[in-house]
Amino acid sequence: RKEVEQDPGPFNVPEGATVAFNCTYSNSASQSFFWYRQDCRKEPKLLMSVYSSGNEDGRFTAQLNRASQYISLLIRDSKLSDSATYLCVVIPNDYKLSFGAGTTVTVRA
Amino acid sequence: ETGVTQSPTHLIKTRGQQVTLRCSSQSGHNTVSWYQQALGQGPQFIFQYYREEENGRGNFPPRFSGLQFPNYSSELNVNALELDDSALYLCASSSPGQGAYNEQFFGPGTRLTVL
Repeated sequence: RKEVEQDPGPFNVPEGATVAFNCTYSNSASQSFFWYRQDCRKEPKLLMSVYSSGNEDGRFTAQLNRASQYISLLIRDSKLSDSATYLCVVIPNDYKLSFGAGTTVTVRA
Repeated sequence: ETGVTQSPTHLIKTRGQQVTLRCSSQSGHNTVSWYQQALGQGPQFIFQYYREEENGRGNFPPRFSGLQFPNYSSELNVNALELDDSALYLCASSSPGQGAYNEQFFGPGTRLTVL
């Protein structure tokens, strides 16, 4: 079983729509969780951390469910600029980021 | 603030050759991590260097090796290249000790093609 697995996507949504997708992780001892964004042929960049109680950053909402070992990302009022690949990241130990394969989101006009 | 830089941006090699990729960490960062990202996949952790010593390693064979220099820049060396080594190689720098999680800042990557 992979350490981190994501919804395969792609998600193709119109501007203004809400889109949500999940990521599951296998290591129950994992303590830190993040969403990174990666634009085509660019490097990953941190989008937001995921806290136990859930958190929002503008139009983005992240949730953590430790019992079921998954995290989610919801994007409200989608913009064309939200088109990207969203990478789920779990830190199973002190030094290593474990990435999912990514969920591709395309927002169309 | 100077960001993470990598060189070269693109590289083409043939099977069996050796390659060296370079990374300059962000100003003030003493830790460098290397990742391999194959097409359509997420980055896979290769290893991390902290204060010139390897600080952790992923599931990569010994032909993947690295160095970190006193100025915290780093090299990734791959010997006996195989076709499956074709990927985007990402370097990320961070500075441990500043909190529970120290954000890793990624460079633009080196795209390696093995023919």
